[in-house]
Amino acid sequence: NAGVMQNPRHLVRRRGQEARLRCSPMKGHSHVYWYRQLPEEGLKFMVYLQKENIIDESGMPKERFSAEFPKEGPSILRIQQVVRGDSAAYFCASSPSGLAGGNEQFFGPGTRLTVL
Amino acid sequence: GENVEQHPSTLSVQEGDSAVIKCTYSDSASNYFPWYKQELGKRPQLIIDIRSNVGEKKDQRIAVTLNKTAKHFSLHITETQPEDSAVYFCAASIPGNTPLVFGKGTRLSVIA
Repeated sequence: NAGVMQNPRHLVRRRGQEARLRCSPMKGHSHVYWYRQLPEEGLKFMVYLQKENIIDESGMPKERFSAEFPKEGPSILRIQQVVRGDSAAYFCASSPSGLAGGNEQFFGPGTRLTVL
Repeated sequence: GENVEQHPSTLSVQEGDSAVIKCTYSDSASNYFPWYKQELGKRPQLIIDIRSNVGEKKDQRIAVTLNKTAKHFSLHITETQPEDSAVYFCAASIPGNTPLVFGKGTRLSVIA
């Protein structure tokens, strides 16, 4: 029973390039969350998606960042024209469908993005 | 929106002693409070969680308490071991499938 999968684990990009991060949720999970973690800091919510829908993107910058979770395949977080400040660890988490009381979120291993 | 404060930011204890990490939250609608352990370069791992219908939950050497009136919750680790050394994050969320709001973390060092 595979957990949350993310790839690549490490990604190096030069300023101005595009970064594409992929996340496959746990089997049976239909909710995906992306979080960003800067060095020595906590995790900050970016975007929450279900299959083919963005539910909440309030934590994601309006420019250069986009996310999708297509009907088939992994969720993708895309960062266009990367800048040095985008260097961080990007984690995705997945959870099963909803109990009213809130749901456990299980994290993937993260993608560590370095912008040169 | 929700704001979660976590204290202390660093904590050193002798092996065998207890460690306590405290968090406060601002949104009275929050009802789910997980704790994550993150080792260097690894993913956050859920170690225990509590929902607002209980005041305390225990799992072996780890316990969490919740005071809804005061809007604070705490992680207690007893008989600490060197392998407990990590960064611990508290979080809170409102009902349903909603994002977690994290505290800034506590770096726990257990000294052998």
